[in-house]
Amino acid sequence: NAGVTQTPKFRVLKTGQSMTLLCAQDMNHEYMYWYRQDPGMGLRLIHYSVGEGTTAKGEVPDGYNVSRLKKQNFLLGLESAAPSQTSVYFCASRPHQQGAFSEAFFGQGTRLTVV
Amino acid sequence: DAKTTQPPSMDCAEGRAANLPCNHSTISGNEYVYWYRQIHSQGPQYIIHGLKNNETNEMASLIITEDRKSSTLILPHATLRDTAVYYCIVRVFYNQGGKLIFGQGTELSVKP
Repeated sequence: NAGVTQTPKFRVLKTGQSMTLLCAQDMNHEYMYWYRQDPGMGLRLIHYSVGEGTTAKGEVPDGYNVSRLKKQNFLLGLESAAPSQTSVYFCASRPHQQGAFSEAFFGQGTRLTVV
Repeated sequence: DAKTTQPPSMDCAEGRAANLPCNHSTISGNEYVYWYRQIHSQGPQYIIHGLKNNETNEMASLIITEDRKSSTLILPHATLRDTAVYYCIVRVFYNQGGKLIFGQGTELSVKP
């Protein structure tokens, strides 16, 4: 059972380039999240999804787009990368359990550097 | 979701109890307290959660004050592997949107 898998693990981009980060979960979870973490800071929510075909903005959505075409995948896109987007990106998923607590599971992170 | 305040860093001797405080003075009646930790830039890991009663599991204990304005996460016998950033989060249990907002957290250093 792989859990939450992020691809790629490392990437260096030039300013203005585009790329897509892939998050895949094999636990049939409804909710999925993208966070970014900058040095010395906590995680900040970029976008999230409560189900296939739905997305919503988090705390810091500007400069990013997301898509959830399949339940198991949540894609994070950078259309025109900027140095300010240099960060570690974490994906997470969580099941919907009516009337019960559900724990969030995190991937191992993607380290992105924009030069 | 209520805002939380945690000390930026703490030290603890190996084998001793680590007590990590969290203030959440604006917490409302239907909001739970959750704790996650992040070890050395790995993805965060769930530890424990509670509403108003004290909770204990195999990892830690959670003590919530009677007025629910603060809580303490207790690692009873800290080991070097418990060195991590600990996040206290307050949110509604049934939040369908599922937004999980992290604060700055407390960086716990367990020393030999």
